[in-house]
Amino acid sequence: SQQGEEDPQALSIQEGENATMNCSYKTSINNLQWYRQNSGRGLVHLILIRSNEREKHSGRLRVTLDTSKKSSSLLITASRAADTASYFCATVPEVYNQGGKLIFGQGTELSVKP
Amino acid sequence: ETGVTQTPRHLVMGMTNKKSLKCEQHLGHNAMYWYKQSAKKPLELMFVYNFKEQTENNSVPSRFSPECPNSSHLFLHLHTLQPEDSALYLCASSQEPARGPRDTQYFGPGTRLTVL
Repeated sequence: SQQGEEDPQALSIQEGENATMNCSYKTSINNLQWYRQNSGRGLVHLILIRSNEREKHSGRLRVTLDTSKKSSSLLITASRAADTASYFCATVPEVYNQGGKLIFGQGTELSVKP
Repeated sequence: ETGVTQTPRHLVMGMTNKKSLKCEQHLGHNAMYWYKQSAKKPLELMFVYNFKEQTENNSVPSRFSPECPNSSHLFLHLHTLQPEDSALYLCASSQEPARGPRDTQYFGPGTRLTVL
């Protein structure tokens, strides 16, 4: 079964508002990553948070991680139309075999209206 | 640009055709990956290569055949595909070698494959 599940599946906001996306996962992780994908393009890494970290910032992005609840949130502040994209969380399991894996959720489609 | 290129960007093929997808990374990474992204589904990891050695085959049908001649290049050879194989195929690379990616992956733009 998939590791990460994002919530909501779709989010529509006005420019300038904040956008919050949530991710839940099932097994213990080494780290959790957030990626962005513009329509039909490759994924772009946004931020990585390790299992011993609780919060991380990068520009207008703020990520939190609650390992007791097995959940993470991505907050985009002061959103812009250019933030319109799909956002995915991906986890690296704590225990892994040679080769490694990023396990992706289904993503949240964010639409920021000007 | 992420430093990972993929060609072609779009490919239409019949079920009896043979084609290949190419991925090249200019980042000096040691691990490379193929993913499949279908509509309304999470990204599916297909193959992982570390130092040119395949370390993961995620139960991928044999009509998909990967090849990694060196750490910078990765191919996906396609043969007798089915219409349900139509998807966006993404290549990625990461610095981490055999023990798995604890850091980020860098993705190419993908190849949009349509099987008729």
